[in-house]
Amino acid sequence: QVHLEQSGAEVRQPGSSVKVSCKSSGDFFGSYRITWVRQAPGQGLEWMGGVIPVFGTGTYAQSFQDRLTISADESTDTAYMELRSLTSDDTAVYFCARVSNFGEYYDFWGQGTLVTVSS
Amino acid sequence: DILLTQSPSYLSASVGDTVSVTCRASQSVQSFVNWYQQKPGEAPKILMYATSRLLTGVPSRFAGSGSGTDFNLTISSLQPEDFATYYCQQTFTTPLHSFGQGTNLDIK
Repeated sequence: QVHLEQSGAEVRQPGSSVKVSCKSSGDFFGSYRITWVRQAPGQGLEWMGGVIPVFGTGTYAQSFQDRLTISADESTDTAYMELRSLTSDDTAVYFCARVSNFGEYYDFWGQGTLVTVSS
Repeated sequence: DILLTQSPSYLSASVGDTVSVTCRASQSVQSFVNWYQQKPGEAPKILMYATSRLLTGVPSRFAGSGSGTDFNLTISSLQPEDFATYYCQQTFTTPLHSFGQGTNLDIK
């Protein structure tokens, strides 16, 4: 059984950066795409981007192109999401999820990490 | 970017009812639509992929249909555990994906 464990809640000031981790256990990490999805309070799901660890290059939603980096470390089975130039609009729960190899759907999710941006 | 628009945004129903949620894409996504269920405080859960393929363990009262730009999620004989928020997702433009804005199904 696959388990995605995310790092804990973060509080950041406007203009700063945050890096959230997502550690995988239970399956072959490198060959599965890991994606990141966020959810602002009371709002819907917003797709951010993803990475295939064995390739290492992230793909990003256009709205995040300039300030988002998604990466992965195969040696530790961990994916990372770094968002820069934070504003209050980035306050959200950030989820990592694994893309199934059977179909393009997200079969396992992390528990979510709350990032609060406040001065 | 492909925009997905769900309707209605809010839906009230009673246990035993049959309800339907629509997801409309701004351009054809063929059959690459998934549906997720999310309950408060939890991560989303995949219900079905490729329009109508139910994941193992998902009750058969959930059904999906559609192709191209118009898709439907139908839930028959609503059960108390079905009251949640539902999201469609397109993966036609993989690796770039997108979600609909969600449909909040609550109990009448």
